[in-house]
Amino acid sequence: DQQVKQNSPSLSVQEGRISILNCDYTNSMFDYFLWYKKYPAEGPTFLISISSIKDKNEDGRFTVFLNKSAKHLSLHIVPSQPGDSAVYFCAASVTGTYKYIFGTGTRLKVLA
Amino acid sequence: SQTIHQWPATLVQPVGSPLSLECTVEGTSNPNLYWYRQAAGRGLQLLFYSIGIDQISSEVPQNLSASRPQDRQFILSSKKLLLSDSGFYLCAWSSGTGVGGTIYFGEGSWLTVV
Repeated sequence: DQQVKQNSPSLSVQEGRISILNCDYTNSMFDYFLWYKKYPAEGPTFLISISSIKDKNEDGRFTVFLNKSAKHLSLHIVPSQPGDSAVYFCAASVTGTYKYIFGTGTRLKVLA
Repeated sequence: SQTIHQWPATLVQPVGSPLSLECTVEGTSNPNLYWYRQAAGRGLQLLFYSIGIDQISSEVPQNLSASRPQDRQFILSSKKLLLSDSGFYLCAWSSGTGVGGTIYFGEGSWLTVV
């Protein structure tokens, strides 16, 4: 049972344009969501998070949007840069359970 | 500041051999500790998590086990490795409060079972 899904395994975007990565979840108890960036053979690094009491959180070029009714969140990267090329994972947790469930990842390629 | 280290970074083990991956966290006390695995072409699968010494939860039935001999040390073990155990293993930690906390990952360990 995949509670967190990233249905697009890959995405290619031109440098300078917007990258939109999507994530869907099935567990309505999730109340905290995170995005991570991962390079090959390295651990994921934290990018940005959002609590379920918000619908948007912004940090520099990265913005995360949460649509609770649709159980959907997205990560926007503007403008996209070649160094953004990596695999992006979304994750979700339920406060108090200490568990973080990750999606399958989306490989982003930013073309120069 | 908090740091997390895991080792070894890479290992090649024959089928049926034992496994021990170690992870330590510095700069924090009573962290929640995790082991994840990323198999080829797949996402991050939660294997074990621990909210304290002698408090370890297993998420996936398998021939792996985890132990937490000290507050900031987490060990992943196997008595007999299978080919399917190959993958990229990640140790991680989060704040003990469990309230909207961020999870932080180590560098990862590549395991190839031959």
